Amino acid sequence: AQSVAQPEDQVNVAEGNPLTVKCTYSVSGNPYLFWYVQYPNRGLQFLLKYITGDNLVKGSYGFEAEFNKSQTSFHLKKPSALVSDSALYFCAVSGFSGGYNKLIFGAGTRLAVHP
Amino acid sequence: DVKVTQSSRYLVKRTGEKVFLECVQDMDHENMFWYRQDPGLGLRLIYFSYDVKMKEKGDIPEGYSVSREKKERFSLILESASTNQTSMYLCASSPGRTEKNIQYFGAGTRLSVL
Repeated sequence: AQSVAQPEDQVNVAEGNPLTVKCTYSVSGNPYLFWYVQYPNRGLQFLLKYITGDNLVKGSYGFEAEFNKSQTSFHLKKPSALVSDSALYFCAVSGFSGGYNKLIFGAGTRLAVHP
Repeated sequence: DVKVTQSSRYLVKRTGEKVFLECVQDMDHENMFWYRQDPGLGLRLIYFSYDVKMKEKGDIPEGYSVSREKKERFSLILESASTNQTSMYLCASSPGRTEKNIQYFGAGTRLSVL
């Protein structure tokens, strides 16, 4: 069965410092991995995805994620955090289940960036 | 830009009421999804549809039904609302039949059942 784990409920970072939001996955076959962000009282917005190719994927708002097959991880990173990055972040893995495209989401990690 | 519109941002209903949540997308996407979001549980798939008049159960379909009479519209129905259905409901759509495609989300409907 496919699954995603986000081991941290909350990550606290000072503005200007690098940030990492962790994600590990379990999937049979090739993993298709996604990061979404949810700002307060909003729906989810797509940040980036890994399908194949380079292990370092660049996405929106200066975010990037590193795919590590041996560690089954897909951590989200940003070199310099902004207060406006404070939000809820979801990692997801996609695959066929029962013949259809489905996303399996992690529980989410709340990122708090302090001035 | 893809736009997924959910008809209500906030709803307050009473136990036993029949509740309709509406979702419309404007990008001619084949697939549409209903999720519920609860703290600490992430998003859980309730139902999805890959074509007009087609529907498939997700992970937590009990107590819900759906309707997709037109390609752009996907409705979630709570036949008899209960307090444990108080939650944030998110609609999403995606193109095609490949697992590589992005899902686009609406702003969500926060439902309170009293």
